[in-house]
Amino acid sequence: DTEVTQTPKHLVMGMTNKKSLKCEQHMGHRAMYWYKQKAKKPPELMFVYSYEKLSINESVPSRFSPECPNSSLLNLHLHALQPEDSALYLCASSQQTGTGANVLTFGAGSRLTVL
Amino acid sequence: AQSVTQLGSHVSVSEGALVLLRCNYSSSVPPYLFWYVQYPNQGLQLLLKYTTGATLVKGINGFEAEFKKSETSFHLTKPSAHMSDAAEYFCAVLGGFQKLVFGTGTRLLVSP
Repeated sequence: DTEVTQTPKHLVMGMTNKKSLKCEQHMGHRAMYWYKQKAKKPPELMFVYSYEKLSINESVPSRFSPECPNSSLLNLHLHALQPEDSALYLCASSQQTGTGANVLTFGAGSRLTVL
Repeated sequence: AQSVTQLGSHVSVSEGALVLLRCNYSSSVPPYLFWYVQYPNQGLQLLLKYTTGATLVKGINGFEAEFKKSETSFHLTKPSAHMSDAAEYFCAVLGGFQKLVFGTGTRLLVSP
């Protein structure tokens, strides 16, 4: 299995809702990432988990809350989002951070629309 | 800090023509460089990577890139474009703390 699976593919939520994005990989990777991608822009790093511990938080607002329950799963909990948070959220994984060539495998993304 | 610059936000070619997407890097240490492709409403797929060793790197779908230290470049090429190559292409460099730093992207348009 060489895939990163993200659910849901599409999500529409109101500003008062609580929702979660899920990401799963079964490649034995020990590093997992959340990226945010706005239209016609490159992906921007949000969070990195290494061995199930949060290692990088790129000053992301607290309305985004990541969680890594185990080495295969990564969640992004969403609460009180703003319309400007509408974007494609990409999950990725890699063998581990701190190696010479950190090749990331990306999922297809979850497209989030905040009304 | 490491960074990459992609020249040209859009590149248009005819089917069968040469594809050339430009990427220049800035790095104080030997860089690790990547090209990713993103099809509409999809995630990113690795095309190829340069770490060390051979400067001409071959990737998937007939793409290749050449690392030129003297020019600080890592341009992506394909001898003959296919309609299915139409996509967004991102050059990236591995930055500090193992972060992947992306360029702004180049949209490749292929006309029949």
